[in-house]
Amino acid sequence: GENVEQHPSTLSVQEGDSAVIKCTYSDSASNYFPWYKQELGKRPQLIIDIRSNVGEKKDQRIAVTLNKTAKHFSLHITETQPEDSAVYFCAASLNYGGSQGNLIFGKGTKLSVKP
Amino acid sequence: DGGITQSPKYLFRKEGQNVTLSCEQNLNHDAMYWYRQDPGQGLRLIYYSQIVNDFQKGDIAEGYSVSREKKESFPLTVTSAQKNPTAFYLCASSPRTRETEAFFGQGTRLTVV
Repeated sequence: GENVEQHPSTLSVQEGDSAVIKCTYSDSASNYFPWYKQELGKRPQLIIDIRSNVGEKKDQRIAVTLNKTAKHFSLHITETQPEDSAVYFCAASLNYGGSQGNLIFGKGTKLSVKP
Repeated sequence: DGGITQSPKYLFRKEGQNVTLSCEQNLNHDAMYWYRQDPGQGLRLIYYSQIVNDFQKGDIAEGYSVSREKKESFPLTVTSAQKNPTAFYLCASSPRTRETEAFFGQGTRLTVV
């Protein structure tokens, strides 16, 4: 089955700096890669996702890159702000036959943005 | 107001007792999931259901049971056979279509006392 590794487990940056979180996956057939943000005591919420036919996607200060050959994908947050502080999860999913496969999550990265 | 609702938010259980966590969604989603969240462990899949009256074990199903009698509901029972049940439990749902996000409930924190 799919296995997702996520690094680092904790990340501390100064406000305004960039943050990068990296994930690798094991199943080359996986083709959907979402990123979730979970603030303290709240539910995980999707912040950005990427499909396997795209190498990069950007949404304001957030970008995700995907390297299918190397089986890794990364989340980039630029101009970090204190409200970016949260736990971020990457996930991988194999979708086939019109049905969505199960999301397999990484172990999470706790991002702290210091003012 | 559409969404996915878990109840209760906090739950305390004595050792040896079964307890059922509720998950209801009005998003008309076919697929529903239960995840367990422990510190430093991420989200681990317990059970999932792609359609009514059908469900499959995830990676850590031992000591848990589920039912899917209605599209809107996917309750999780934590049985006395679960060796370490204290955790944060998250329910999620998604449309049964390609490459769509999963929507999460607000979670239930279960504590064994």
